[in-house]
Amino acid sequence: QKEVEQNSGPLSVPEGAIASLNCTYSDRGSQSFFWYRQYSGKSPELIMSIYSNGDQEDGRFTAQLNKASQYVSLLIRDSQPSDSATYLCAVIFDRGSTLGRLYFGRGTQLTVWP
Amino acid sequence: GAVVSQHPSWVICKSGTSVKIECRSLDFQATTMFWYRQFPKQSLMLMATSNEGSKATYEQGVEKDKFLINHASLTLSTLTVTSAHPEDSSFYICSARDTGVSEAFFGQGTRLTVV
Repeated sequence: QKEVEQNSGPLSVPEGAIASLNCTYSDRGSQSFFWYRQYSGKSPELIMSIYSNGDQEDGRFTAQLNKASQYVSLLIRDSQPSDSATYLCAVIFDRGSTLGRLYFGRGTQLTVWP
Repeated sequence: GAVVSQHPSWVICKSGTSVKIECRSLDFQATTMFWYRQFPKQSLMLMATSNEGSKATYEQGVEKDKFLINHASLTLSTLTVTSAHPEDSSFYICSARDTGVSEAFFGQGTRLTVV
């Protein structure tokens, strides 16, 4: 069964803190992992992609992947109130391809308070 | 990079009528497009996957005769909700992927209200 699990939260952090969002997935053979941000009433926006074990950084965002533990996380440094949104973890489960459909977690709601 | 435009952003229609939603990739060729539905405070639900020039693949439980998907070109896919009923009221979102690329980008979404 193909599952993507996220803690639904809500996760609440003060402005300037590091927000840590976690995601686990069911198939060790998965190759492609994504983080999307969705503001209330809006569509998801891709913020990070990661394919290899380790860290990938983009500005204040760092995605971390550990395939052995089937775990992918997103760190947001210097969190801002504008980061308050629902963060969706997505995984492509196809072992032989990086072009399969995305499976989404239920999302973690993040609130950054000033 | 990768812009996906979806129209209309919102629509209100009468029960029993049909509504067409358009999804366009503006700066890339969308070999694959996905259509999702999202109810308030719930996660995305994939309705169907379409590849250009092929029939759409519908997820289990999604009525293909009710939700008609056409992906006739590399830049345009349409979703038609036929004989809409109030329970079809939802947020419909398309997503598109360029050839050979894993990342999928979303349109702005269409909020459908059936009265």
